Amino acid sequence: GENVEQHPSTLSVQEGDSAVIKCTYSDSASNYFPWYKQELGKRPQLIIDIRSNVGEKKDQRIAVTLNKTAKHFSLHITETQPEDSAVYFCAAINTGTASKLTFGTGTRLQVTL
Amino acid sequence: GAVVSQHPSRVICKSGTSVKIECRSLDFQATTMFWYRQFPKQSLMLMATSNEGSKATYEQGVEKDKFLINHASLTLSTLTVTSAHPEDSSFYICSALGSGTVIQYFGAGTRLSVL
Repeated sequence: GENVEQHPSTLSVQEGDSAVIKCTYSDSASNYFPWYKQELGKRPQLIIDIRSNVGEKKDQRIAVTLNKTAKHFSLHITETQPEDSAVYFCAAINTGTASKLTFGTGTRLQVTL
Repeated sequence: GAVVSQHPSRVICKSGTSVKIECRSLDFQATTMFWYRQFPKQSLMLMATSNEGSKATYEQGVEKDKFLINHASLTLSTLTVTSAHPEDSSFYICSALGSGTVIQYFGAGTRLSVL
């Protein structure tokens, strides 16, 4: 089955700096990669996703890049703000054969003033 | 995005009792719902996948007689923790997948505390 590794487990950045979170996956057939943000005690919320036919996707301060050859994808947050502080989870799935997401272990992002 | 409602948000119960958690898709029909368990500072651990009208598929190591899942309609799935014990205390989260989509929408979670 799919295996997703996520790094780093914790990340502290100063407000205004950029943050990068990286994930690798094992199943080359995976074709959909969402990123979820979870604030303490709250539900995970989808913040951005990318499909395997695209190399990069941006949404304001958030971007995701995908390298299918290397089987890794990354989340980039620019101009970080205190409200970006949360736990971020990457996930991967082969939508053709599976319905369940395989999640990474999460990255706790702390944006300091 | 789509809305998934989960109730209750918090439950405290005595050891040996059963607790039912509901997960509803409010504005779409969910062909598939998922139940996760999350320990503090850890990732989401999938417990089971439920499809409307059929038996749930449990992940390895999850006791199906302990965690009863029912997906009786396209908008409602329930998880019943039977004979709860303190080690069952956790944050339980559901998610729902609509027909023809790959996006999962999550409920707000239920924090279960078993005394």
